[in-house]
Amino acid sequence: AQSVTQPDIHITVSEGASLELRCNYSYGATPYLFWYVQSPGQGLQLLLKYFSGDTLVQGIKGFEAEFKRSQSSFNLRKPSVHWSDAAEYFCAASNTGKLIFGQGTTLQVKP
Amino acid sequence: EPEVTQTPSHQVTQMGQEVILRCVPISNHLYFYWYRQILGQKVEFLVSFYNNEISEKSEIFDDQFSVERPDGSNFTLKIRSTKLEDSAMYFCASSYDRAAGDTQYFGPGTRLTVL
Repeated sequence: AQSVTQPDIHITVSEGASLELRCNYSYGATPYLFWYVQSPGQGLQLLLKYFSGDTLVQGIKGFEAEFKRSQSSFNLRKPSVHWSDAAEYFCAASNTGKLIFGQGTTLQVKP
Repeated sequence: EPEVTQTPSHQVTQMGQEVILRCVPISNHLYFYWYRQILGQKVEFLVSFYNNEISEKSEIFDDQFSVERPDGSNFTLKIRSTKLEDSAMYFCASSYDRAAGDTQYFGPGTRLTVL
């Protein structure tokens, strides 16, 4: 069955530190891959997406993600985290239109 | 920037009652979706809708659920007889295309509490 896994439920980093959020997928063929962010009281906002081609994808707010086919992974990174990045992050995949989500990772940023 | 809106933000209802959750998708979008997230669980796909028809639905979307686009702007999710397990955050989304890679834009959600 198709699935998306985010191994880390909760991550805490210090402001200014680097960040990596993990995402693994299980699909018959490589799906389209997405990262969304949800701040309290807000909808899910798209950070970036991967279709094909360059495996390093740049997104909004200074985020990037790297697709690794051999590891079935699509990890999200940011070189220097800001306090405003505290939110919940969702990895998602699709090959038919409907999105299949991971369980989300809550990011806490320490001053 | 255009956005998807949802009303109400929070709905409390008694078990067995009907509820209607409302969404206004982005105006030039053609595909509409409902997802839900039970507290502590994943965001789950419920249904997609195009050209006044359901395109795809999940196993969760049983006969108790229905969707409708009653006019040119609203997209609604109706639950006929709510159960305790329907308590969740319900997200509406819309996209211009239904291609697997097309961006879906999400609303802020409606938190449904069934007592």
